[in-house]
Amino acid sequence: AQTVTQSQPEMSVQEAETVTLSCTYDTSESDYYLFWYKQPPSRQMILVIRQEAYKQQNATENRFSVNFQKAAKSFSLKISDSQLGDAAMYFCARGPKYSGGGADGLTFGKGTHLIIQP
Amino acid sequence: DSGVTQTPKHLITATGQRVTLRCSPRSGDLSVYWYQQSLDQGLQFLIQYYNGEERAKGNILERFSAQQFPDLHSELNLSSLELGDSALYFCASSVGLAGGAHNEQFFGPGTRLTVL
Repeated sequence: AQTVTQSQPEMSVQEAETVTLSCTYDTSESDYYLFWYKQPPSRQMILVIRQEAYKQQNATENRFSVNFQKAAKSFSLKISDSQLGDAAMYFCARGPKYSGGGADGLTFGKGTHLIIQP
Repeated sequence: DSGVTQTPKHLITATGQRVTLRCSPRSGDLSVYWYQQSLDQGLQFLIQYYNGEERAKGNILERFSAQQFPDLHSELNLSSLELGDSALYFCASSVGLAGGAHNEQFFGPGTRLTVL
């Protein structure tokens, strides 16, 4: 089974500080997509950042960046200058690069609850 | 607002009953995905439809079924409900099939199902 593991159930960070959320995954595919989704108390799933496995350059979106280590199957999310609005559950997910094979859906980790201390 | 709509927002029903959850994808999106989020199982992919046809199946129970209609909206039918089916059910949509540089999935607000 292709799994996604988030080993930190909860993380806490001071406002304006930097925090890194960890994610590891297992896959037999050579190419795929990795995602970080944010789920605030409203329960809406919001895409934060996406990485294509064949691209070596780490993706960045404003204060959010990833550290993608393909050989280690590691995909961590770094949030810089943490803000109160960043408080949420963060889910790491893996998705296929190519359709077919009955595995078109995203595989999610269990999530990390991020707390921002004012 | 992702552009994906789901109705109803909340649903409370009893064990053994049957319910239907509805999803309207973003304009132009052909793929619809259903996910279940529960405390014990986390977020799980259930099933995907593309342009009216079933495309992929995940951890969907036999008591559950789905379909996508010609106008591309989708319905998830849950029958013989059990207490353990209580969860948040998400619908997501994307332009095409899985993968692709810009084929991200946009999630609806979810339907909260409570089985008593």
